[in-house]
Amino acid sequence: EVQLVESGGGLVQPGGSLRLSCAASGFTLGDRYMDWVRQAPGKGLEWVGRLRNKANGDTTEYAAAVRGRFTVSRDDSKNSLYLQMNSLKTEDTAVYYCARVYCRGPSCPWSEDYFDSWGQGTLVTVSS
Amino acid sequence: DIQMTQSPSSLSASVGDRVTITCRASQGIGNYLAWYQQKPGKAPKPLIFAASTLQGGVPSRFSGSGSGTDFTLTISDIQPEDFATYYCQKHDNYPLTFGGGTEVE
Repeated sequence: EVQLVESGGGLVQPGGSLRLSCAASGFTLGDRYMDWVRQAPGKGLEWVGRLRNKANGDTTEYAAAVRGRFTVSRDDSKNSLYLQMNSLKTEDTAVYYCARVYCRGPSCPWSEDYFDSWGQGTLVTVSS
Repeated sequence: DIQMTQSPSSLSASVGDRVTITCRASQGIGNYLAWYQQKPGKAPKPLIFAASTLQGGVPSRFSGSGSGTDFTLTISDIQPEDFATYYCQKHDNYPLTFGGGTEVE
């Protein structure tokens, strides 16, 4: 059974840093594209960033709002995904979800590029 | 960037009703559209991808259609467990973008 469990959320001051973790089980993280999606309190969903699989060079993509401040990475030995968040702003306050992309093969055609598994989320609050 | 607009933002329905939610893209996105269901305090659940392909395990009362800029999610014979918020998401290019959501109450 596929399971994603996020951790690491909490209260941080503006300008601070935080690292979120997403522990995966039931599949090998390095074989799949993995994303972070966030949801501000009472608001809709917002894509944050992506880490492609090993077959595609572990390359990354980011939303404009976080580019240069957030970094997605992976530890294959722990089968875990991470989101390093620096220079945090109050508008980064949200529940952060890790999500697996459906794509079944080493490449990921857009036709299969949607989120088929989600974690339960971890809350990040940026406030002084 | 392409914007995704859902309508209505909320709607009222009764068990057994047929419900239709619309998602419009500001530019054509082919058929690269997904739909998710989210209940309060829970993670989104995938329903449909590529505009009309049902995720495994999703009841057949859910259906999706459309291409280009206009898409619909239809719930025929809505059940009590279907009352939730629904989001569309384009999956044709970066940035991946979600609609603002439709609350079905």
